[in-house]
Amino acid sequence: DAGVTQSPTHLIKTRGQQVTLRCSPKSGHDTVSWYQQALGQGPQFIFQYYEEEERQRGNFPDRFSGHQFPNYSSELNVNALLLGDSALYLCASTLRGGYTFGSGTRLTVV
Amino acid sequence: QQQVKQSPQSLIVQKGGISIINCAYENTAFDYFPWYQQFPGKGPALLIAIRPDVSEKKEGRFTISFNKSAKQFSLHIMDSQPGDSATYFCAASRQASGTYKYIFGTGTRLKVLA
Repeated sequence: DAGVTQSPTHLIKTRGQQVTLRCSPKSGHDTVSWYQQALGQGPQFIFQYYEEEERQRGNFPDRFSGHQFPNYSSELNVNALLLGDSALYLCASTLRGGYTFGSGTRLTVV
Repeated sequence: QQQVKQSPQSLIVQKGGISIINCAYENTAFDYFPWYQQFPGKGPALLIAIRPDVSEKKEGRFTISFNKSAKQFSLHIMDSQPGDSATYFCAASRQASGTYKYIFGTGTRLKVLA
């Protein structure tokens, strides 16, 4: 049984560009959340999707947006990239319980 | 009120020793407290979790102690092994609200010496 799958694993973008990260949740999970983890820090909640709707959002600007598809997979989009957006982006899925995290996408903005 | 404070920042333990990591929270609405283990280049993996209606939970070598009145909880790793060397995060969430937003601590980097 596959866990949470994220793609790509690594990505280098230039400041000002846009990026899309993808996530396939663990089988049977219907809720997907995205977290940003800066180097040496704990994950910070970006937002959560359930039934294709954004259910809750953390303290991130509108440059961060997302989407959930009918098969529960999800995308995270970041526009107008800043150097400070460089981080590990984690997708986590759940079905009314503890999260299962993916291995993340390492985004580097240069 | 949304913060979870974790200590120590780093910890070095001899093989076979006990590793203890502490967390404190402010928001009494939190009702689910998991601990995650993260290896370099990997996502966090759930180790053990507790709800505030119990004071202790044990799974193998890992034990969570929970003090509701002090708003503190801790992870004890018994018989620590070099393979336990990783970063550990505590977290808290308010699952009764129907959402699963986690507030994470800042992490503890554990090194177990062989």
